[in-house]
Amino acid sequence: QKEVEQDPGPLSVPEGAIVSLNCTYSNSAFQYFMWYRQYSRKGPELLMYTYSSGNKEDGRFTAQVDKSSKYISLFIRDSQPSDSATYLCAILLLGGTSYGKLTFGQGTILTVHP
Amino acid sequence: GAVVSQHPSWVICKSGTSVKIECRSLDFQATTMFWYRQFPKQSLMLMATSNEGSKATYEQGVEKDKFLINHASLTLSTLTVTSAHPEDSSFYICSAPTGPGSYNEQFFGPGTRLTVL
Repeated sequence: QKEVEQDPGPLSVPEGAIVSLNCTYSNSAFQYFMWYRQYSRKGPELLMYTYSSGNKEDGRFTAQVDKSSKYISLFIRDSQPSDSATYLCAILLLGGTSYGKLTFGQGTILTVHP
Repeated sequence: GAVVSQHPSWVICKSGTSVKIECRSLDFQATTMFWYRQFPKQSLMLMATSNEGSKATYEQGVEKDKFLINHASLTLSTLTVTSAHPEDSSFYICSAPTGPGSYNEQFFGPGTRLTVL
């Protein structure tokens, strides 16, 4: 079982739609939950992170964590064509030999068409 | 956000040659940097952790004699792929946290695309 599972999609939605991206994880010791956006042939860009169960909003983006079910989500409201990219969930462990290391999901390819 | 650069952005080399990739933190000091590899349509896989002034730590399955890492200063880490082969062709990306307590804010470089012929 992979430590972080993410549906690779691809996901195609019309402009203005609400997008839901999801990941599950297996290690309950994970402490930070991150979302990155990666455009083709570019490095990942940090969108937001959270460390507790619940919701965190930043503009059109909402990150949601449910530690009891080991499930994290990213919601994008009013999606735009410029949101078309690969979205990566990543989980951070702060402890032991894995200190500071990010474990990534496979990434979901999102296309928002006009 | 903080800026991390990589050089070169792409490189093509012949099989058997060595290639050096640089990762620089431009506006902050990074005592730790991470090196990742990403194959097409796959996620990032951590290769090694680069520590300023000490040896790098490698993930299981990564050959440390093949992927040489040198973290010579607080703003520069280099990855040298020695005796490169076609199976080493990949997208190599580095990241750096902005401080010792900021692993949750790691910034990534733009990546280096390596093609080995």
